[in-house]
Amino acid sequence: AQSVAQPEDQVNVAEGNPLTVKCTYSVSGNPYLFWYVQYPNRGLQFLLKYITGDNLVKGSYGFEAEFNKSQTSFHLKKPSALVSDSALYFCAVRDGGNTDKLIFGTGTRLQVFP
Amino acid sequence: NAGVTQTPKFRILKIGQSMTLQCAQDMNHNYMYWYRQDPGMGLKLIYYSVGAGITDKGEVPNGYNVSRSTTEDFPLRLELAAPSQTSVYFCASSLTVPQGQPQHFGDGTRLSIL
Repeated sequence: AQSVAQPEDQVNVAEGNPLTVKCTYSVSGNPYLFWYVQYPNRGLQFLLKYITGDNLVKGSYGFEAEFNKSQTSFHLKKPSALVSDSALYFCAVRDGGNTDKLIFGTGTRLQVFP
Repeated sequence: NAGVTQTPKFRILKIGQSMTLQCAQDMNHNYMYWYRQDPGMGLKLIYYSVGAGITDKGEVPNGYNVSRSTTEDFPLRLELAAPSQTSVYFCASSLTVPQGQPQHFGDGTRLSIL
């Protein structure tokens, strides 16, 4: 069965520093991987995805993610964090079959301190 | 475009009551999904639909029902509310092709059952 894991419940980083939010996956076949962000009292917003191609994927708001097949990871990164990046981040993997159902990780809360 | 619209935003129910959570999208998406979000648990898929007249169970369907009579609407029904159904419910939609389309989320319905 497909699954994703987000090993950190919370990540704290100072504004201006680089940030990394970790995600590992377990799939049969080629993975379709996604990152979403959730701000308070809002639904999830799509950030970026990896399906095929370059291992470094660029997305919205200056975020990027690196696909690493050997380590089965898809970590979210940003070179310089902003206070406004503080939110809940979810990694997800496509469940397979002929639909685009997603399996979500448990989420990582990112706190960026001024 | 409004995107995905969920109503109501908040609701308090008594045990045993029933209600319908409404979801509508104006993007002509064939795929629609219902999730529940509980603290520290990520999002769990309740039901999904690949088009009008077609629905299927997700990971946690017990206690819920859905219908999809039109492409735009995907209501979720709770027949006999139980405290375990206290949660935040999100509806999402996505395009059919190509595979790996991102899901678009509504802002959720916060439901408390007392």
